[in-house]
Amino acid sequence: AQSVSQHNHHVILSEAASLELGCNYSYGGTVNLFWYVQYPGQHLQLLLKYFSGDPLVKGIKGFEAEFIKSKFSFNLRKPSVHWSDAAEYFCAVAAGSSNTGKLIFGQGTTLQVKP
Amino acid sequence: DAGITQSPRHKVTETGTPVTLRCHQTENHRYMYWYRQDPGHGLRLIHYSYGVKDTDKGEVSDGYSVSRSKTEDFLLTLESATSSQTSVYFCAITRDPGRGYYGYTFGSGTRLTVV
Repeated sequence: AQSVSQHNHHVILSEAASLELGCNYSYGGTVNLFWYVQYPGQHLQLLLKYFSGDPLVKGIKGFEAEFIKSKFSFNLRKPSVHWSDAAEYFCAVAAGSSNTGKLIFGQGTTLQVKP
Repeated sequence: DAGITQSPRHKVTETGTPVTLRCHQTENHRYMYWYRQDPGHGLRLIHYSYGVKDTDKGEVSDGYSVSRSKTEDFLLTLESATSSQTSVYFCAITRDPGRGYYGYTFGSGTRLTVV
């Protein structure tokens, strides 16, 4: 069965520090990969997605992620975090050949940003 | 998000009572999903639909049923609510999961408390 693992459940950074959130998945076939962000009290919003092509994906708000197929990883990065980036971040995977589109989510990582 | 609404936004109900949550979309998307979000578990798929009257179970379907009599509406029913079903429920839609670049759009969520 597919699974997604996010390495850190809670990350605390100072403003302007660099961010990297780890995501590993288990699935041997073609995958579509996503990072979602959830601000307090809100629904999930798409940060970025990978479906094919360049493994370095750029998203909104200065986020990027790199798909490393050999490591089954899709880590999220941002060079300099802002206080407004405090939120919960979810990595998700869908089988690329799927005709059901079921998303498997990681447990989530809560990012806290100190001023 | 535009095009997908969930109702109610909040609900408190008593153990043993039936509860129905509604997801309504105006995007004419074929695929609809119900997830529940719980701390430490991320989002987990309850049921999904790939067309009118076509539904299937997700990973945490016990105690839940769904119906889809129209493209735009996907109903989630808790036949007899239990405290373990206290959660935040999210609906999601996508156009064509086999082509992942369409992504998924999430509703604003329903916070359900079973007392």
